[in-house]
Amino acid sequence: SAVISQKPSRDICQRGTSLTIQCQVDSQVTMMFWYRQQPGQSLTLIATANQGSEATYESGFVIDKFPISRPNLTFSTLTVSNMSPEDSSIYLCSVEGAINTEAFFGQGTRLTVV
Amino acid sequence: AQSVTQLGSHVSVSEGALVLLRCNYSSSVPPYLFWYVQYPNQGLQLLLKYTSAATLVKGINGFEAEFKKSETSFHLTKPSAHMSDAAEYFCAVSESGFQKLVFGTGTRLLVSP
Repeated sequence: SAVISQKPSRDICQRGTSLTIQCQVDSQVTMMFWYRQQPGQSLTLIATANQGSEATYESGFVIDKFPISRPNLTFSTLTVSNMSPEDSSIYLCSVEGAINTEAFFGQGTRLTVV
Repeated sequence: AQSVTQLGSHVSVSEGALVLLRCNYSSSVPPYLFWYVQYPNQGLQLLLKYTSAATLVKGINGFEAEFKKSETSFHLTKPSAHMSDAAEYFCAVSESGFQKLVFGTGTRLLVSP
């Protein structure tokens, strides 16, 4: 199994500011995934983060708004830039478990923008 | 493109009653299918998964789901609901194994005494 730690677990931020969310995995993984869960809605994939290359973004998400870093095989960050109240969501990090087992999710970061 | 439809945003059952949460999927290739549970203020926990092996999949906490290709369905069931089953349940599909999951809109299960 993979254990994922996300920081912070929650934050309240002023509009116009940026927040960086950290995701730490207890084992090396090739790909890490960032999802967003808006209030009362399902999870939507933001991007796939590969070590050593730029992240791949899904339709509707852009690098300027959600820059991602992936400096090594156990760590990634997602930044939510120039925040507005519409960015209030839970942001989750996910990885594929070893040997094609399952997708593991972090506990999420609950972001409120005021 | 792959997609998931969960019928019913809320399902209410009495304790001890059958739980049935519906999920229909669309996929251009044989899919991987998942059910996740999310308790309040917690992350996602995998209940069960279908990966082209047995069509009847048993998961944790007494849940099971049956893959029906002809109906493109993967409904989640539990014979007897428990109060602790009250949570949000998400069905998800993937065409790339355990990566890049596409989730349904979720079903909130309410269990009354």
